[in-house]
Amino acid sequence: RKEVEQDPGPFNVPEGATVAFNCTYSNSASQSFFWYRQDCRKEPKLLMSVYSSGNEDGRFTAQLNRASQYISLLIRDSKLSDSATYLCVVSSLTGNQFYFGTGTSLTVIP
Amino acid sequence: DGGITQSPKYLFRKEGQNVTLSCEQNLNHDAMYWYRQDPGQGLRLIYYSQIVNDFQKGDIAEGYSVSREKKESFPLTVTSAQKNPTAFYLCASSKDRGNTDTQYFGPGTRLTVL
Repeated sequence: RKEVEQDPGPFNVPEGATVAFNCTYSNSASQSFFWYRQDCRKEPKLLMSVYSSGNEDGRFTAQLNRASQYISLLIRDSKLSDSATYLCVVSSLTGNQFYFGTGTSLTVIP
Repeated sequence: DGGITQSPKYLFRKEGQNVTLSCEQNLNHDAMYWYRQDPGQGLRLIYYSQIVNDFQKGDIAEGYSVSREKKESFPLTVTSAQKNPTAFYLCASSKDRGNTDTQYFGPGTRLTVL
C-alpha cells in the first residue's frame, strides 16, 4: 500500500467554480501534512501546511481528518492561474522523511 | 537572494557514464534531500542528509551516491549502476533536522540518458 494516495484527475473546471481534492495516507502516526503546487516542468512549491484544526489562506482551505486518515484541499472561485498539479505530502513517523502523492491535475477553463 | 540552486538545468549523458548533479543552498538549512520524479509518479526519495558529513539512504538509493562535506552543498552522483536514470531530479532543503519542517525545492535538473 502506498504511503500517500491521490486521485490523479484530471479535474477540468470552469472559472469561478469550487473544487476539492482529497488525499489519503496509510500511517496513522504521520506528523505533518502539506499541500504543494507544481506547475508543468517546474519544482513543487509549498501551497499550505495542514493543521489539525483546519486552516484557510484566501481562497484555499485545507483540512485534516486523522480518524479517517485523509487531508483535503478546497479551492473556491477558481482562477485560470490555479491550473497546476497539486501534491499531497505527509511526513514519516520520525519526521525526517516526506512522502509525496502522485498529484492531482487541475485545469481551470475560461 | 536566498534559495536553492541546482545545475545544470538539463543534462545529457551517455550510457555507462557517471554524472554529478549540483545542489547548493544559502538558506542556512540543516537538512537536504534528493528526489527523482518520473512521469505519472510522485517524488521518490533518493538520499537525505540532516547534518554535515552524514547522510541516509532513501527509498531508491541504488545506483546513486552523495556527499555532504559542507552545509550548503549536497551533490548527487548518478552512477552507471543506475538502470533507468532518465528523470527529473529535485533537491530540497529544510531548516531543522529530525523534525517536520517545510521543504523548499530547487528548480530541478532534467537528466536524459542517450
